[in-house]
Amino acid sequence: GENVEQHPSTLSVQEGDSAVIKCTYSDSASNYFPWYKQELGKRPQLIIDIRSNVGEKKDQRIAVTLNKTAKHFSLHITETQPEDSAVYFCAATGTASKLTFGTGTRLQVTL
Amino acid sequence: GAGVSQSPSNKVTEKGKDVELRCDPISGHTALYWYRQSLGQGLEFLIYFQGNSAPDKSGLPSDRFSAERTGGSVSTLTIQRTQQEDSAVYLCASSLSQRSEAFFGQGTRLTVV
Repeated sequence: GENVEQHPSTLSVQEGDSAVIKCTYSDSASNYFPWYKQELGKRPQLIIDIRSNVGEKKDQRIAVTLNKTAKHFSLHITETQPEDSAVYFCAATGTASKLTFGTGTRLQVTL
Repeated sequence: GAGVSQSPSNKVTEKGKDVELRCDPISGHTALYWYRQSLGQGLEFLIYFQGNSAPDKSGLPSDRFSAERTGGSVSTLTIQRTQQEDSAVYLCASSLSQRSEAFFGQGTRLTVV
């Protein structure tokens, strides 16, 4: 089955700096890669996703890149703000597989 | 309702008792997942239902855990003879398909005393 690894487990950045979270996956058949944000005490919510037919997708301050050959994908947050502080989970799935999550990255944006 | 609904929101039970957790997915969503999240930890996969296919039960931690999904809609997760290590938040999620956004419920916080 699919295995998703996520790094780093914790990340501290200063407000205004960029943050990058990286994930690798094992199943070459995976073709959908969502990212979820979970604020303290809340449920995870989708912030951006990418399908395997594109290499990059942007939505305002967040972007995701996908390298199918290397089987890794990354989340980039620019101009970080205190409200970006949360736990971020990457995930991967394919047409015949379940949604498999990474272990999460706790992002702390300091003033 | 507009989203995934879970009940109860909180459940305190005595060690050894059975509990049932309920999930009402978004109408029309064929995929339904159960995850477990301990405090400050990640999303531990438990079970996955997809349409009429046999469920993927590979994440259930022991035979005390079981789940069913009736009529392709509501799902119940049952934990028999609860243990203290079962204490966690149990999250349900549903999606239109495997390759679309999964929407999470608010979770059931289970405390075994």
